[in-house]
Amino acid sequence: GAVVSQHPSWVICKSGTSVKIECRSLDFQATTMFWYRQFPKQSLMLMATSNEGSKATYEQGVEKDKFLINHASLTLSTLTVTSAHPEDSSFYICSAHWTNTGELFFGEGSRLTVL
Amino acid sequence: DQQVKQNSPSLSVQEGRISILNCDYTNSMFDYFLWYKKYPAEGPTFLISISSIKDKNEDGRFTVFLNKSAKHLSLHIVPSQPGDSAVYFCAASPYNFNKFYFGSGTKLNVKP
Repeated sequence: GAVVSQHPSWVICKSGTSVKIECRSLDFQATTMFWYRQFPKQSLMLMATSNEGSKATYEQGVEKDKFLINHASLTLSTLTVTSAHPEDSSFYICSAHWTNTGELFFGEGSRLTVL
Repeated sequence: DQQVKQNSPSLSVQEGRISILNCDYTNSMFDYFLWYKKYPAEGPTFLISISSIKDKNEDGRFTVFLNKSAKHLSLHIVPSQPGDSAVYFCAASPYNFNKFYFGSGTKLNVKP
């Protein structure tokens, strides 16, 4: 089946630094990718919708200047957490929408720990 | 306001029996529904989907049923296996897929 690869799977950084997370669709083109954040014991919260070649659409309450999303190609979207703080520590998950079938495939997730 | 609800936070089933996970939604504009399985510290794994033009979709041991009038869908796993133990999320989106709404998940425990 279709595969979405997310990298890095685990990252630890110092407060104030920026971290980039990549999301790649390996065997299909994804016009739309989604970025989610999971808080402990809660469902996945959609952060933003990333459309290839255009600006991302952010959900209410998500700071677009802090969580920079770039969807430069049909197979790659990146999420950059700028000036990370300990409260940004979380599990970030991307998903890619395969328009041919309408299915949504998820990456393995990236666990960010900000010291 | 949670538009997709999974009212059972947990379910325990004996190996070999049927597991039935339920999901309710409130938005009549939802047109596409999905079930995901998630292990701790991993991303969700897509299981099965169904569009509103169908009332049933089957894939191996997994069958999803959709009752649009009741705004209810369910996932049946037959026979259940210990490896099926995980958290299961249902999700729904409007026809244009621009947003997916997730339920809070049901933790399934399949006992050997």
